[in-house]
Amino acid sequence: GEDVEQSLFLSVREGDSSVINCTYTDSSSTYLYWYKQEPGAGLQLLTYIFSNMDMKQDQRLTVLLNKKDKHLSLRIADTQTGDSAIYFCAESNAGNNRKLIWGLGTSLAVNP
Amino acid sequence: NAGVTQTPKFQVLKTGQSMTLQCAQDMNHNSMYWYRQDPGMGLRLIYYSASEGTTDKGEVPNGYNVSRLNKREFSLRLESAAPSQTSVYFCASSEAMGRNSPLHFGNGTRLTVT
Repeated sequence: GEDVEQSLFLSVREGDSSVINCTYTDSSSTYLYWYKQEPGAGLQLLTYIFSNMDMKQDQRLTVLLNKKDKHLSLRIADTQTGDSAIYFCAESNAGNNRKLIWGLGTSLAVNP
Repeated sequence: NAGVTQTPKFQVLKTGQSMTLQCAQDMNHNSMYWYRQDPGMGLRLIYYSASEGTTDKGEVPNGYNVSRLNKREFSLRLESAAPSQTSVYFCASSEAMGRNSPLHFGNGTRLTVT
């Protein structure tokens, strides 16, 4: 079945770039999303990319999509302590747009 | 702009008790969802409502029921709570299903069943 995988933890120093990776199995994915969850809160949409794109930039965020390898990454430039959170990758596909397939989330720790 | 509002924020139940989690959205969204979040399990879809008047089972519907009361409100009921239902519950809404329609989440209900 469809699956989305992420590494569980990432630790970076403040001011460095963070790169959070995600792989997915469904070759018919149409949209891929990045959500952020801060402690005690719900998930917020950070950004998304359509499957016919290979890059999207939004201020400090850069999303790269390698459709051939089914690999998605989120780069956060100049990482700040406020970026400490769990980041979820999710994908939707043309065949089953009724629900998103979620990764387990990557917990990003930013050290001063 | 409230977005998605869930009540209560916290709840402790004894095994066998019942309760209803409430969710309301003010974005005029057609679709609404209930998820549970458990450590190491990620987000799992319990039930969803593609549009007012319809509800469907997600991945983990056993032990739950839902009601789409109107376009704004979507409630989740636990008829006889079990310790396995200890979790954080999130309600979400989206403009529609079937196209790029990101989910908007509430802040969650933290439920403990003893």
